[in-house]
Amino acid sequence: GIQVEQSPPDLILQEGANSTLRCNFSDSVNNLQWFHQNPWGQLINLFYIPSGTKQNGRLSATTVATERYSLLYISSSQTTDSGVYFCAEGNAGKSTFGDGTTLTVKP
Amino acid sequence: DGGITQSPKYLFRKEGQNVTLSCEQNLNHDAMYWYRQDPGQGLRLIYYSQIVNDFQKGDIAEGYSVSREKKESFPLTVTSAQKNPTAFYLCASSMRSNQPQHFGDGTRLSIL
Repeated sequence: GIQVEQSPPDLILQEGANSTLRCNFSDSVNNLQWFHQNPWGQLINLFYIPSGTKQNGRLSATTVATERYSLLYISSSQTTDSGVYFCAEGNAGKSTFGDGTTLTVKP
Repeated sequence: DGGITQSPKYLFRKEGQNVTLSCEQNLNHDAMYWYRQDPGQGLRLIYYSQIVNDFQKGDIAEGYSVSREKKESFPLTVTSAQKNPTAFYLCASSMRSNQPQHFGDGTRLSIL
């Protein structure tokens, strides 16, 4: 199956800083999603982005399917952005998640 | 409110016991999924269902069973054959497979 690699594994920021998270894939990208898991374990779907660029407030995501990677940008980070960010790729119903990037935003 | 409801939030299992985790959705979604998450790791797919009365094994189906008799419901049974069941279990649904997934709040299962 497809391999999903996320980087960096951990990231510590000061409030107000910007960051970029990356996902690399071993195979073609068709149904890429980005999720945020808060400290209580709740998973929120941030973007469904098989290709191109999308923006939602301070967050934006870009997927370059031909080069098998996706980027998540967080601007002007806030303490509430802390948690784990996952990317996932799906094919015919089967989804494969990366191991996540743990983001800590300090006040 | 539309959403996905998982119950219970916490569950304890004795040795040799089967337990069933509930997942209900009122989003009218065709596809439903069960994932397992171990500490510090990503989600791994246990089973998924693209339509009522049909389901497929994911990457770690051994020791688990599911049913999909109703569109709204996708219960997961952790059988005694699952030797290391302690984990966080998450249920998700999507309008159809390979569309954005929405998650319930999860069930934490522990061994007594």
